[in-house]
Amino acid sequence: DIQMTQSPSTLSAFVGDRVTITCRASQSISTWLAWYQQKPGKAPKLLIYKASSLESGVPSRFSGSGSGTEFTLTISSLQPDDFTTYYCQQYNTSPWTFGQGTKVEIK
Amino acid sequence: QVTLRESGPALVKPTQTLTLTCTFSGFSLSTSGMCVSWIRQPPGKALEWLARIDWDGDKYYSTSLKTRLTISKDTSRNQVVLTMTNMDPVDTSTYYCARTYDSSGYYCRDAFDIWGQGTMVTVSS
Repeated sequence: DIQMTQSPSTLSAFVGDRVTITCRASQSISTWLAWYQQKPGKAPKLLIYKASSLESGVPSRFSGSGSGTEFTLTISSLQPDDFTTYYCQQYNTSPWTFGQGTKVEIK
Repeated sequence: QVTLRESGPALVKPTQTLTLTCTFSGFSLSTSGMCVSWIRQPPGKALEWLARIDWDGDKYYSTSLKTRLTISKDTSRNQVVLTMTNMDPVDTSTYYCARTYDSSGYYCRDAFDIWGQGTMVTVSS
């Protein structure tokens, strides 16, 4: 199975900060990577697919990049609604796998 | 509008078999490139992909759970069913179903664009 490792596990930042979350795959997954946002008690919401494509309706402050084994999710200017948990997921090879999550907290 | 909704028991006893149903609308699982997966999340923990069924009937399972899982579909009723045998307290989780649609029509290689609200299952005697 492909292991997905996110860093950091927790990130503290201020409103307006630019933040970056990293996701590393244990083997190459090309650009078959998605990012999700999950708020407490809610289902995950798709933000980015194919590593860098923004899902319809998602604010442009979210962006993704990377290929192969290293990927990043960047939030250009953190808004109060963005303080929650983010997951990466590979869909290059079954079984599909998720990262362990990154919680973005208010500093 | 595409929606998915999970249903099943809220409480099961250890060693019992869990049966969950995902009822969906707004798409057909007979459309090429359409797939439905089950994903779970223990309280306070990360997401874990469990199983997937594709429009052509192909099925895929988590490596660690494949001996306990069975996924099936009823295209006419717009439902996908997951059974998990020999339930244990560590299986206590919120269980989600989610859709993938690969517009190429040849594969099921795309992100989960629509999720159900999830159903919480507690395993306890």
